[in-house]
Amino acid sequence: DIQMTQSPSSLSASVGDRVTITCRASQSISSYLNWYQQKPGKAPKLLIYAASSLQTGVPSRFSGSGSGTDFTLTISSLQLEDFASYYCHQSYSNPRTFGGGTKVEIK
Amino acid sequence: EVQLVQSGAEVKKPGESLKISCTGSGYSFTTYWITWVRQMPGKGLEWMGIIYPGDSDTRYSPSFQGQVTISVDKSINTAYLQWSSLKASDSAMYYCAREYGPDAFDIWGQGTMVTVSS
Repeated sequence: DIQMTQSPSSLSASVGDRVTITCRASQSISSYLNWYQQKPGKAPKLLIYAASSLQTGVPSRFSGSGSGTDFTLTISSLQLEDFASYYCHQSYSNPRTFGGGTKVEIK
Repeated sequence: EVQLVQSGAEVKKPGESLKISCTGSGYSFTTYWITWVRQMPGKGLEWMGIIYPGDSDTRYSPSFQGQVTISVDKSINTAYLQWSSLKASDSAMYYCAREYGPDAFDIWGQGTMVTVSS
């Protein structure tokens, strides 16, 4: 199985901050990396697919980069509605696997 | 509107069986994989398995192989997740989701909460 390691597991930030979350795969997954946002009591929502493509309707302050084993999700200017948990997910091979998640909290 | 609608919350006793459902609408149900994801209370997302409604091709995570059964009835655009003998450790929120072209899960159901308690 491909292990996905996310860091940090949690962070505190203020509105307007630039936030970066990283995800590392235990082997190369090319660009088969997706990012999801999950708010409490809600289903996850797709933000970024194929490492860097913005899902329709997602604000442009979200961006993704990376390939191979190292990936990054960046929020350029954190908004109140962005306080949530974020998960990376590899779709390179079965079993699909998720990172452990990053909780973004208000400082 | 493209959507997946899941069956309602369940409360069961250990040893009981259960089948929860996920019904798709607004798109060609048979041409997109449907996946199941577990989320235990306060924890992260775990991929359980995936099924292709067109031909019922099914893949399981090794962690869930033999523990659950994923099936589909394409005549009513519905995928299922079932247990033959529930354990307390099966208590969790279960989500279905559609996997589309770039192999991402773009549409999610609202989740089904399963509580197993004596």
